[in-house]
Amino acid sequence: AQSVTQPDIHITVSEGASLELRCNYSYGATPYLFWYVQSPGQGLQLLLKYFSGDTLVQGIKGFEAEFKRSQSSFNLRKPSVHWSDAAEYFCAVGPPSSARQLTFGSGTQLTVLP
Amino acid sequence: GAVVSQHPSWVICKSGTSVKIECRSLDFQATTMFWYRQFPKQSLMLMATSNEGSKATYEQGVEKDKFLINHASLTLSTLTVTSAHPEDSSFYICSARAPRGGHSYNEQFFGPGTRLTVL
Repeated sequence: AQSVTQPDIHITVSEGASLELRCNYSYGATPYLFWYVQSPGQGLQLLLKYFSGDTLVQGIKGFEAEFKRSQSSFNLRKPSVHWSDAAEYFCAVGPPSSARQLTFGSGTQLTVLP
Repeated sequence: GAVVSQHPSWVICKSGTSVKIECRSLDFQATTMFWYRQFPKQSLMLMATSNEGSKATYEQGVEKDKFLINHASLTLSTLTVTSAHPEDSSFYICSARAPRGGHSYNEQFFGPGTRLTVL
């Protein structure tokens, strides 16, 4: 069965600092990979996705993620964090060639200090 | 872009009553919609997959008689929590699968969620 691990429950960074949120997955094949952001009381917004091809994926709001097959990882990065980036971040995986059965990680809460 | 709405955004009800939550794809047709439940400070758990014109597929442990799902049209799926109890209080989020043929196929677009509180 597939699973997603986000080892960091809570991360605090200063505004302007760089950010990396970790995501590891367990899957029989290379799955589809997603990063979503959720603000309090809101739904999920897609930041970026990886289906195939270039392993460095650019997303919205200055985020990027790198797929590393050898490490089964899909870490999210941002070179300079803004106060508005404070939110909950979820990594998710889905089976190849389908949007069904997304499995979500437990989430990482990001706090941004002024 | 693909927009999914949910109504209501929040609802408070008495124990024993039923509550209906609507999920609509506003600018695309969705043959498949998904219903998730999210407890405070936790991740999303898939409850069921809603297929237009057919019965929903429920995940293990989800009571289909308690959480009734109807996907009567290509733009609307409803979740009815029947005989609600305080333990049903949660944040319910729906998503819709992008239509085949578009560049966003294989994505799910999420609604803003519905906060249910059962007194």
